[in-house]
This record gives sequence, C-alpha cells and structure tokens, in this order.
Amino acid sequence: KQEVTQIPAALSVPEGENLVLNCSFTDSAIYNLQWFRQDPGKGLTSLLLIQSSQREQTSGRLNASLDKSSGRSTLYIAASQPGDSATYLCAGNTDKLIFGTGTRLQVFP
Amino acid sequence: EAQVTQNPRYLITVTGKKLTVTCSQNMNHEYMSWYRQDPGLGLRQIYYSMNVEVTDKGDVPEGYKVSRKEKRNFPLILESPSPNQTSLYFCASSLRTGGIRNTEAFFGQGTRLTVV
Repeated sequence: KQEVTQIPAALSVPEGENLVLNCSFTDSAIYNLQWFRQDPGKGLTSLLLIQSSQREQTSGRLNASLDKSSGRSTLYIAASQPGDSATYLCAGNTDKLIFGTGTRLQVFP
Repeated sequence: EAQVTQNPRYLITVTGKKLTVTCSQNMNHEYMSWYRQDPGLGLRQIYYSMNVEVTDKGDVPEGYKVSRKEKRNFPLILESPSPNQTSLYFCASSLRTGGIRNTEAFFGQGTRLTVV
C-alpha cells in the first residue's frame, strides 16, 4: 500500500532563503508525482508534475526532482517570498493520487 | 479557462438531511474523483469514475454515493449526513485516454461541509 510522507511538517523562514521540501513514497511503481500548493481554506493548485521517466521539472523559482529508486522527491524553492507561504502537498499517482500530509511553509519579511 | 467547479463552496446542514455537492469540469477529462481532507489525515479518496457510467469506491466510501451520467459532471451525494462527514471536500479530474495515467490532476476550489 502506497504511503507518502512529507518532511518537515512545518517550516518558517525569512524572505530570500532557498528551501527544500521533502517527499518520500513507499511504492516506486508510480506513474507520476505531482506537487500542489494549498492556501488556507482554498483549493489545490498544481505546481509541477513529474512523469515516472523524468528526473526533474522546473517552473520559475520552483524545481522538483524525482528519484523513483529511492522513493523520494524534493521541491526546491529559490529566493523565497512571503507570497510563497502556503501548505505544499506531494501526491504519488499509482492509479490514484496518494497524498502526503503536507509541509506548512511560512515566509516572513 | 480550464477548470473544475464545485458548488456550493460552503454548506452547513443538519444530520440526516440529504445533500448533493456538484462538480463539473470543462476539459473533457475521463477520470474524476472525490476526496475529503481532514486535519492529520490528509486527503483521502472517496469515490472515482473512469468514465461515464463507470464508478468505483475509493478508500473512504461509506456514507457517500456518486453518479456519472455525463462526462463533465460528477456529483457527490450524502443520503443521510452525519457529523463525522464534516470535512473539506475536493473534486478532481484528469485525462485518461487509452489507459494513459501519467497526466496532471486538476482540483476544484473545495466545499467546506459542516454537519450539525
């Protein structure tokens, strides 16, 4: 049974720092891994999708990597800004999305 | 604009009063699903649908029903809501043509349901 874990559960950093959010999964037979952002009381916004055959994807200040053999994905946020404050969720797709419980990020000025 | 639309966004109801949460997508996606999000438990799948008239249970289906009469719509039905169904609900859709599963999932804005 697929289990997805995210570390750390919460993170508070000053503006400008580079960040790494971690996601680990137990079943390496995933079709893809998707990173989402969730603002308080809001829906999920897709940030990056990494196919199982890919190693990384980039969008602006965000870079996500995938290592299926070790069951890990990381989301790198460069030059963090207060507007990046949100909860970040990763989800492994093995015929359905299995979500981690998220990393709550706060970036203060 | 490509989107998944849920209604209502907020709902307070009483135990036992049947309700329906609607979900509609405009991307011609085959696959649709419902999730609930609870503190400490994350998002868990309730039901999913591979295509019109094809639905199946997810991880937490008890107390819920769904239907998929049209490709774009996937309503979630609570026949007799109970307080333990108080949660934040999300509808999602993705393309799944010819068995291809490696496509991006899109989520609605969520429905916050309170059952008293």
